[in-house]
Parts: sequence; structure tokens; C-alpha cells
Amino acid sequence: EAQVTQNPRYLITVTGKKLTVTCSQNMNHEYMSWYRQDPGLGLRQIYYSMNVEVTDKGDVPEGYKVSRKEKRNFPLILESPSPNQTSLYFCASSPGTVNTEAFFGQGTRLTVV
Amino acid sequence: EDQVTQSPEALRLQEGESSSLNCSYTVSGLRGLFWYRQDPGKGPEFLFTLYSAGEEKEKERLKATLTKKESFLHITAPKPEDSATYLCAVQSREGYQKVTFGTGTKLQVIP
Repeated sequence: EAQVTQNPRYLITVTGKKLTVTCSQNMNHEYMSWYRQDPGLGLRQIYYSMNVEVTDKGDVPEGYKVSRKEKRNFPLILESPSPNQTSLYFCASSPGTVNTEAFFGQGTRLTVV
Repeated sequence: EDQVTQSPEALRLQEGESSSLNCSYTVSGLRGLFWYRQDPGKGPEFLFTLYSAGEEKEKERLKATLTKKESFLHITAPKPEDSATYLCAVQSREGYQKVTFGTGTKLQVIP
């Protein structure tokens, strides 16, 4: 089954404690991206990657890091989380750089206290 | 800066009552406009991609259309299972591949 898998689904952490949210896709897609979704603000792109070792900033990259060492994986790293990073996070992948037919993961609800 | 505005924010329809959702956009060269459906607690689900003005796409009771400034998602004779939030997004041609989403229209279809 074609899917994008995020882990964990739910996470509560404390300010400053580094964390990683994993994302993996099994469709051999080139394009992957991370979004955060907040009430009233919609989905905002954090980072995207057009292929292995190729990443770029989206609209809200501050406080986040990503890496794309393998085609299937695109982890999101919060080096020093702060309460304003409390949000619902989605990973997505699509077969080409035009982001056609993007597949989204189930989401990770992060709370930073 | 790319911008996407969706209206209305919320829409309540009786089952069978057709309507349209609007997505207005500004982008420096449109690479693609996308429609997604999002159910509560889930990730968005892809519906359509439109590439150029005049293009139309259909899927069951949904039809998406595109002009140079806006896109419409027409819902014909909706059913309760069409209740969801509908998201519009654009991708720019301008040398990078980032995607900008609107805040969505929350649709409720009442039996």
C-alpha cells in the first residue's frame, strides 16, 4: 500500500529538548516536504526537498532542520523546541517537482511545554 | 509573495444543494493549482491539479475550474460524506518549488 508514515503521532516535550519526527514514503517519490498546520493559518510549508541531498526553505523554516540522505526518508529536527512550535505537523511526498498528487502522512501533534 | 485566499470560510448545505467554493490566488507564474480534501484528524487527500486557465477537472460530484486569478470547486448534489475541509494550494514557477496553501473552506452537508 502506497503511504507516507510519520512517527510519532503524538508527542509532548519540554522546551529545549531536541527531538526528531520521522517521515518515510514507500513510493519512490522525489519530492518531499514538511508542513505545520495551525488554526486560522492553514498549512504552511517548513522545508521541502526535490531529491536526495537537495533541500530548501519554505515559508516558516526558523527553528527547524531537515535532511535527505535517502530518497525514502525526510526527518524533521527541532534542535531546541519552543512553545510556539506547538502544532500539527504533516509530511508529504509527490512523484515530481510539480507536487502533483501529493500524499500526506497522518500527522504528528506536537506539544512543547 | 504568493498568496491564496479561500472563501467562504465555512459553508453549510442541505444534501442535494449544489454550490461552489472559491480560491483566489496571486503567484509569480503559476506552475500548478491544487485542491485537497481534509477530514478531521487526518492528512489532506489530493483531489485535483490544474495547470492553466480554462482547464477543468471532474471527479464524482466535484468539478474544479481555473482562471488566471481564481479557481472554483463546484459541488453538485452533495452528500453528507462530502463534509470536510477543502484546501486550495498554488506552486510557483519562480525557480523554486515551494507550495502555498489557503486556510480552507469547511463544508458541512446536512442530510
